[in-house]
Amino acid sequence: EPEVTQTPSHQVTQMGQEVILRCVPISNHLYFYWYRQILGQKVEFLVSFYNNEISEKSEIFDDQFSVERPDGSNFTLKIRSTKLEDSAMYFCASSLDRDENTIYFGEGSWLTVV
Amino acid sequence: GNSVTQMEGPVTLSEEAFLTINCTYTATGYPSLFWYVQYPGEGLQLLLKATKADDKGSNKGFEATYRKETTSFHLEKGSVQVSDSAVYFCALSDWPQAGTALIFGKGTTLSVSS
Repeated sequence: EPEVTQTPSHQVTQMGQEVILRCVPISNHLYFYWYRQILGQKVEFLVSFYNNEISEKSEIFDDQFSVERPDGSNFTLKIRSTKLEDSAMYFCASSLDRDENTIYFGEGSWLTVV
Repeated sequence: GNSVTQMEGPVTLSEEAFLTINCTYTATGYPSLFWYVQYPGEGLQLLLKATKADDKGSNKGFEATYRKETTSFHLEKGSVQVSDSAVYFCALSDWPQAGTALIFGKGTTLSVSS
Protein backbone atom coordinates (compact mmCIF):
# COMPACT_ATOMS: atom_id res chain seq x y z
CA GLU A 1 0.00 0.00 0.00
CA PRO A 2 1.38 3.45 -0.87
CA GLU A 3 2.59 5.41 2.10
CA VAL A 4 4.01 8.75 3.14
CA THR A 5 7.63 8.45 4.22
CA GLN A 6 9.54 10.87 6.41
CA THR A 7 13.18 11.41 7.30
CA PRO A 8 14.80 11.66 9.73
CA SER A 9 12.80 9.71 12.27
CA HIS A 10 14.53 11.59 15.06
CA GLN A 11 16.76 14.66 15.09
CA VAL A 12 18.41 16.48 17.94
CA THR A 13 19.54 20.02 17.23
CA GLN A 14 20.89 22.97 19.13
CA MET A 15 18.77 26.04 19.65
CA GLY A 16 19.25 28.52 16.84
CA GLN A 17 20.21 25.92 14.25
CA GLU A 18 18.34 25.36 11.00
CA VAL A 19 16.51 22.09 10.53
CA ILE A 20 15.06 20.51 7.40
CA LEU A 21 12.54 17.72 7.71
CA ARG A 22 11.91 15.69 4.59
CA CYS A 23 8.87 13.89 3.30
CA VAL A 24 7.94 11.84 0.27
CA PRO A 25 4.15 12.05 -0.17
CA ILE A 26 2.09 9.40 -1.92
CA SER A 27 2.96 9.69 -5.58
CA ASN A 28 -0.39 10.66 -7.16
CA HIS A 29 -1.44 12.97 -4.35
CA LEU A 30 -1.79 16.67 -4.99
CA TYR A 31 -2.14 18.21 -1.52
CA PHE A 32 0.63 18.13 1.04
CA TYR A 33 0.57 19.05 4.70
CA TRP A 34 2.67 19.45 7.79
CA TYR A 35 1.26 18.94 11.25
CA ARG A 36 2.99 18.88 14.59
CA GLN A 37 2.35 17.37 17.99
CA ILE A 38 4.08 18.77 21.03
CA LEU A 39 4.43 16.05 23.66
CA GLY A 40 1.15 15.56 25.49
CA GLN A 41 -0.75 18.04 23.34
CA LYS A 42 -3.04 18.00 20.34
CA VAL A 43 -1.95 17.36 16.80
CA GLU A 44 -1.90 20.83 15.22
CA PHE A 45 -2.10 21.92 11.60
CA LEU A 46 0.85 23.94 10.31
CA VAL A 47 0.51 24.34 6.56
CA SER A 48 -0.97 22.92 3.40
CA PHE A 49 0.61 23.09 -0.04
CA TYR A 50 -0.91 22.72 -3.49
CA ASN A 51 0.26 23.49 -6.98
CA ASN A 52 3.67 24.61 -5.72
CA GLU A 53 2.39 27.15 -3.28
CA ILE A 54 1.05 27.42 0.23
CA SER A 55 -2.74 27.15 0.21
CA GLU A 56 -3.35 27.54 3.93
CA LYS A 57 -1.30 28.07 7.04
CA SER A 58 -1.96 28.35 10.74
CA GLU A 59 -0.81 30.97 13.21
CA ILE A 60 1.97 28.61 14.26
CA PHE A 61 3.50 28.76 10.79
CA ASP A 62 5.38 32.04 11.17
CA ASP A 63 8.39 33.41 9.31
CA GLN A 64 10.64 30.85 10.95
CA PHE A 65 8.99 28.12 8.92
CA SER A 66 9.05 27.47 5.20
CA VAL A 67 8.03 24.62 2.92
CA GLU A 68 9.28 23.59 -0.45
CA ARG A 69 8.75 20.95 -3.08
CA PRO A 70 12.24 20.96 -4.59
CA ASP A 71 11.54 18.17 -7.08
CA GLY A 72 8.70 15.91 -8.16
CA SER A 73 8.74 13.72 -5.09
CA ASN A 74 10.04 15.49 -1.98
CA PHE A 75 8.26 17.94 0.29
CA THR A 76 10.32 19.66 2.96
CA LEU A 77 9.72 21.70 6.09
CA LYS A 78 12.48 24.08 7.10
CA ILE A 79 12.75 25.71 10.50
CA ARG A 80 15.20 28.58 10.16
CA SER A 81 16.35 29.14 13.72
CA THR A 82 15.00 26.54 16.08
CA LYS A 83 13.65 27.35 19.52
CA LEU A 84 13.17 25.04 22.48
CA GLU A 85 9.41 25.18 21.94
CA ASP A 86 9.81 23.75 18.43
CA SER A 87 10.52 20.37 20.02
CA ALA A 88 7.71 18.16 18.76
CA MET A 89 6.74 15.31 16.49
CA TYR A 90 6.27 16.66 12.97
CA PHE A 91 3.93 14.76 10.69
CA CYS A 92 3.88 15.06 6.94
CA ALA A 93 0.66 14.13 5.18
CA SER A 94 -0.85 14.07 1.73
CA SER A 95 -4.24 13.74 0.11
CA LEU A 96 -5.44 13.11 -3.40
CA ASP A 97 -7.63 16.18 -3.51
CA ARG A 98 -9.72 18.35 -1.21
CA ASP A 99 -13.02 16.73 -2.00
CA GLU A 100 -11.73 13.24 -1.31
CA ASN A 101 -11.00 14.57 2.11
CA THR A 102 -8.89 11.70 3.41
CA ILE A 103 -5.45 12.67 4.57
CA TYR A 104 -2.69 10.06 4.89
CA PHE A 105 0.08 10.61 7.39
CA GLY A 106 3.69 9.60 7.65
CA GLU A 107 5.26 8.11 10.75
CA GLY A 108 6.55 11.44 11.95
CA SER A 109 9.90 13.06 12.66
CA TRP A 110 10.78 13.67 16.28
CA LEU A 111 12.60 16.99 16.65
CA THR A 112 14.34 17.72 19.93
CA VAL A 113 15.81 21.18 20.37
CA VAL A 114 18.36 21.50 23.16
CA GLY B 1 -14.23 28.15 15.79
CA ASN B 2 -14.09 24.47 15.04
CA SER B 3 -12.99 22.10 17.76
CA VAL B 4 -12.99 18.48 18.83
CA THR B 5 -13.29 17.21 22.38
CA GLN B 6 -12.38 13.66 23.33
CA MET B 7 -12.71 11.83 26.58
CA GLU B 8 -9.61 11.92 28.72
CA GLY B 9 -7.52 8.81 28.94
CA PRO B 10 -5.96 6.51 29.58
CA VAL B 11 -8.60 3.87 29.07
CA THR B 12 -7.58 0.50 30.47
CA LEU B 13 -9.54 -2.59 29.48
CA SER B 14 -9.26 -6.34 29.58
CA GLU B 15 -9.27 -8.29 26.36
CA GLU B 16 -12.77 -8.84 24.92
CA ALA B 17 -14.24 -5.88 26.83
CA PHE B 18 -16.49 -3.33 25.12
CA LEU B 19 -14.88 -0.05 24.16
CA THR B 20 -16.38 3.41 23.85
CA ILE B 21 -14.30 6.53 23.32
CA ASN B 22 -16.43 9.65 23.31
CA CYS B 23 -15.92 12.45 20.81
CA THR B 24 -17.94 15.61 20.36
CA TYR B 25 -17.32 18.43 17.96
CA THR B 26 -18.10 22.05 17.19
CA ALA B 27 -18.17 23.16 13.57
CA THR B 28 -19.58 26.00 11.54
CA GLY B 29 -20.40 23.94 8.47
CA TYR B 30 -21.08 20.28 7.78
CA PRO B 31 -17.82 18.62 8.62
CA SER B 32 -16.44 15.24 7.75
CA LEU B 33 -15.44 13.25 10.83
CA PHE B 34 -12.54 10.88 11.27
CA TRP B 35 -10.92 8.55 13.74
CA TYR B 36 -7.17 8.14 13.43
CA VAL B 37 -5.09 5.62 15.37
CA GLN B 38 -1.43 5.80 16.35
CA TYR B 39 0.16 2.50 17.31
CA PRO B 40 3.34 2.64 19.40
CA GLY B 41 6.24 3.88 17.30
CA GLU B 42 4.11 4.49 14.23
CA GLY B 43 2.42 7.40 12.50
CA LEU B 44 -1.23 8.36 12.35
CA GLN B 45 -3.38 5.91 10.42
CA LEU B 46 -6.91 6.56 9.26
CA LEU B 47 -9.19 4.13 11.08
CA LEU B 48 -12.59 5.20 9.77
CA LYS B 49 -14.54 8.19 8.58
CA ALA B 50 -18.05 9.52 7.99
CA THR B 51 -18.90 12.40 5.73
CA LYS B 52 -22.53 13.18 6.52
CA ALA B 53 -25.10 12.89 9.25
CA ASP B 54 -26.19 9.35 10.19
CA ASP B 55 -23.30 7.80 8.25
CA LYS B 56 -21.57 4.97 10.06
CA GLY B 57 -17.87 4.47 9.52
CA SER B 58 -16.44 1.06 10.28
CA ASN B 59 -13.12 -0.74 10.04
CA LYS B 60 -11.37 -3.59 11.90
CA GLY B 61 -14.38 -4.08 14.16
CA PHE B 62 -14.50 -0.40 15.14
CA GLU B 63 -17.56 1.70 14.41
CA ALA B 64 -18.61 5.30 14.79
CA THR B 65 -21.84 7.00 13.78
CA TYR B 66 -22.06 10.65 12.78
CA ARG B 67 -24.75 12.13 15.05
CA LYS B 68 -25.56 15.68 14.01
CA GLU B 69 -28.21 16.17 16.69
CA THR B 70 -25.71 15.48 19.47
CA THR B 71 -22.62 16.65 17.50
CA SER B 72 -20.92 13.39 18.37
CA PHE B 73 -18.84 10.68 16.72
CA HIS B 74 -18.18 8.14 19.44
CA LEU B 75 -15.85 5.24 18.67
CA GLU B 76 -16.99 1.75 19.68
CA LYS B 77 -15.73 -1.78 19.47
CA GLY B 78 -17.54 -4.81 20.81
CA SER B 79 -14.52 -6.86 21.85
CA VAL B 80 -11.07 -5.28 22.11
CA GLN B 81 -7.80 -7.11 21.63
CA VAL B 82 -4.34 -6.48 23.04
CA SER B 83 -3.29 -5.38 19.54
CA ASP B 84 -5.80 -2.49 19.75
CA SER B 85 -3.61 -0.77 22.34
CA ALA B 86 -2.84 2.61 20.80
CA VAL B 87 -3.70 6.30 20.90
CA TYR B 88 -6.99 7.18 19.18
CA PHE B 89 -7.62 10.64 17.74
CA CYS B 90 -10.96 12.06 16.72
CA ALA B 91 -10.72 14.71 14.00
CA LEU B 92 -12.86 16.84 11.74
CA SER B 93 -12.49 18.56 8.43
CA ASP B 94 -14.78 21.43 7.62
CA TRP B 95 -14.02 21.93 3.94
CA PRO B 96 -14.73 24.33 2.37
CA GLN B 97 -15.82 26.55 5.26
CA ALA B 98 -12.63 26.11 7.21
CA GLY B 99 -10.09 24.93 4.68
CA THR B 100 -8.60 21.51 4.33
CA ALA B 101 -6.89 21.32 7.71
CA LEU B 102 -7.85 18.56 10.08
CA ILE B 103 -8.78 19.64 13.60
CA PHE B 104 -7.77 16.99 16.11
CA GLY B 105 -8.82 16.09 19.59
CA LYS B 106 -6.14 15.51 22.23
CA GLY B 107 -6.11 11.77 21.73
CA THR B 108 -7.18 8.95 24.03
CA THR B 109 -4.73 6.25 25.02
CA LEU B 110 -6.18 2.76 25.10
CA SER B 111 -4.36 -0.01 26.92
CA VAL B 112 -5.72 -3.55 26.62
CA SER B 113 -4.38 -6.35 28.80
CA SER B 114 -4.77 -10.08 28.33
